[in-house]
Amino acid sequence: GAVVSQHPSRVICKSGTSVKIECRSLDFQATTMFWYRQFPKQSLMLMATSNEGSKATYEQGVEKDKFLINHASLTLSTLTVTSAHPEDSSFYICSASARPGQSNYGYTFGSGTRLTVV
Amino acid sequence: AQSVTQPDIHITVSEGASLELRCNYSYGATPYLFWYVQSPGQGLQLLLKYFSGDTLVQGIKGFEAEFKRSQSSFNLRKPSVHWSDAAEYFCAVVPNGGYSTLTFGKGTMLLVSP
Repeated sequence: GAVVSQHPSRVICKSGTSVKIECRSLDFQATTMFWYRQFPKQSLMLMATSNEGSKATYEQGVEKDKFLINHASLTLSTLTVTSAHPEDSSFYICSASARPGQSNYGYTFGSGTRLTVV
Repeated sequence: AQSVTQPDIHITVSEGASLELRCNYSYGATPYLFWYVQSPGQGLQLLLKYFSGDTLVQGIKGFEAEFKRSQSSFNLRKPSVHWSDAAEYFCAVVPNGGYSTLTFGKGTMLLVSP
């Protein structure tokens, strides 16, 4: 089945530093990748959608200069939280999807990254 | 507006009892439908999905779901719940054609009592 690997699973960083989170599709080509943020006891909030080789589309209210997304290949997308502050502390989850119509089409999620900014 | 409703925020079920988690959607046409499970501190795991065809879908871990077009529902069921099933369950949809983003329900927390 489709597998998405997300690293790191946990990261603690100092306020003002940047953190990069990787999301890899291990056994399929991910035409589209999604980045979500999840607050405690809440559903997932979509931050941005990225298609390989093009700029990410950010949801309203998400600062694109703070949350840099790169989707350089069909198997890798990265989210960089720049100049992190304590309010950026959260659980970040990526998701990858193959092209609709392909046999492995669906939305596969990574295991998430717990970011703590101190 | 398109939406997904999971009317139950929490459900408590005795171990060994049957389970049904409700999901209703509001879309112009039949969307693609998914159920995911999330354990604390983990990502989401796909339980099952429905695109077309047989309206009763079998998934992993003994779960099944039934698509009912007339009720715009896609309820998740399991005949006998195990303590390890305690988790958060999310229903999600994407418009038919699947080029859009997932829309999630708010989730249902399943608690399993001994």
